[in-house]
Amino acid sequence: KQEVTQIPAALSVPEGENLVLNCSFTDSAIYNLQWFRQDPGKGLTSLLLIQSSQREQTSGRLNASLDKSSGRSTLYIAASQPGDSATYLCAVRPGNSGGYQKVTFGTGTKLQVIP
Amino acid sequence: EAGVAQSPRYKIIEKRQSVAFWCNPISGHATLYWYQQILGQGPKLLIQFQNNGVVDDSQLPKDRFSAERLKGVDSTLKIQPAKLEDSAVYLCASSLGVYTDTQYFGPGTRLTVL
Repeated sequence: KQEVTQIPAALSVPEGENLVLNCSFTDSAIYNLQWFRQDPGKGLTSLLLIQSSQREQTSGRLNASLDKSSGRSTLYIAASQPGDSATYLCAVRPGNSGGYQKVTFGTGTKLQVIP
Repeated sequence: EAGVAQSPRYKIIEKRQSVAFWCNPISGHATLYWYQQILGQGPKLLIQFQNNGVVDDSQLPKDRFSAERLKGVDSTLKIQPAKLEDSAVYLCASSLGVYTDTQYFGPGTRLTVL
């Protein structure tokens, strides 16, 4: 059974700082990994999707990396801004070993960027 | 492009009552997901449809939860009867395909069971 862990559960940084969010998963046989942000009272917004054949994806100030062999992904946020304050979740879609396997989400890291 | 629509946004009911949620996915998206997100946790998949067929409902409490996707477009999720532990946000998402595509989420329905 795939388990996804995100540590720390909460993080507070001053504005302008570069930061890294971590996501660990127990089964390295995956199709893809997706990073989302969730603002209070709202749904999830997709940030980056990394396919199993890729090592990283970039969008603006965000860079996500994937290391399947170690079961880890990181989300790097450059020059953080107060508007980046949200909960960040990673979701892993396992590889299809003969049957469908569902997406598993981590519990998220709540980020606060202090002006 | 219009996003995933859900209604209602909020619902308060008493235990043992029934409730229904509605979702309209992004046009052309074949795959539709219903998730349950309890406060402080990540979303948990309840059911996944590919067009109007069920791909996975292994985590759906079938004694009280039901879902359908008529004509492969809109979907409804029903709870009957509701329990206190069903209090959560119910998220609907859609994607173009099944395995490799980005999931797009609706705003969710916050259910409170008293």
